Amino acid sequence: DIQMTQSPSTLSASVGDRVTITCRASQSISSWLAWYQQKPGKAPKLLIYKASSLESGVPSRFSGSGSGTEFTLTISSLQPDDSATYYCQQYDNYSFGQGTRLEIK
Amino acid sequence: QVQLQESGPGLVKPSQTLSLTCTVSGGSISSGSYYWSWIRQPAGKGLEWIGRVYASGNTNYNPSLKSRVTISVDTSQNQFSLNLSSVTAADTAVYYCARGSIPGGGLDYWGQGTLVTVSS
Repeated sequence: DIQMTQSPSTLSASVGDRVTITCRASQSISSWLAWYQQKPGKAPKLLIYKASSLESGVPSRFSGSGSGTEFTLTISSLQPDDSATYYCQQYDNYSFGQGTRLEIK
Repeated sequence: QVQLQESGPGLVKPSQTLSLTCTVSGGSISSGSYYWSWIRQPAGKGLEWIGRVYASGNTNYNPSLKSRVTISVDTSQNQFSLNLSSVTAADTAVYYCARGSIPGGGLDYWGQGTLVTVSS
């Protein structure tokens, strides 16, 4: 089974900062990766699919990159509303990463 | 606007079968452009993909749950369902249903989630 490892587990940053979250796959998954944002008590929200495609309605400060085994989610200028937990998901056996909790300083 | 809504018992006894239904509105479950998934999340923990079903009835399951899981679709009711047998306290979680786009579009619509507690 393909394992997904996210880093860091927690992240604290200030409004306006550029933030990067990494997801590594235990074997190549081409570009078959999605990123989700989840706020407490809410269902996850799709941000990025196929590694770098921005879901409709998602702010352009969110971007995704990578292929093969290493992927990144970048928030170009952090906003207060971005405080959440972020998950990656691969499309082979559909497992999720363990999540990255992003806090605003 | 597509909407998904989970329904089913909030309390299940150990060793029994957990049964949930997801009702889809605002779109047809019969569309060949999508698949329909179940995901769960224990309190304070991460997301676990349970499995998916296509309108054709074809399914894929998480290997770690495969022996206990059945996902089915009822196109006449625009619903799909989850059965998880022989439950234990470890199956206590918020259960979500979601729509996935083919190919590789991610899970773009989610239900609000329903808490299922396994306890005697």
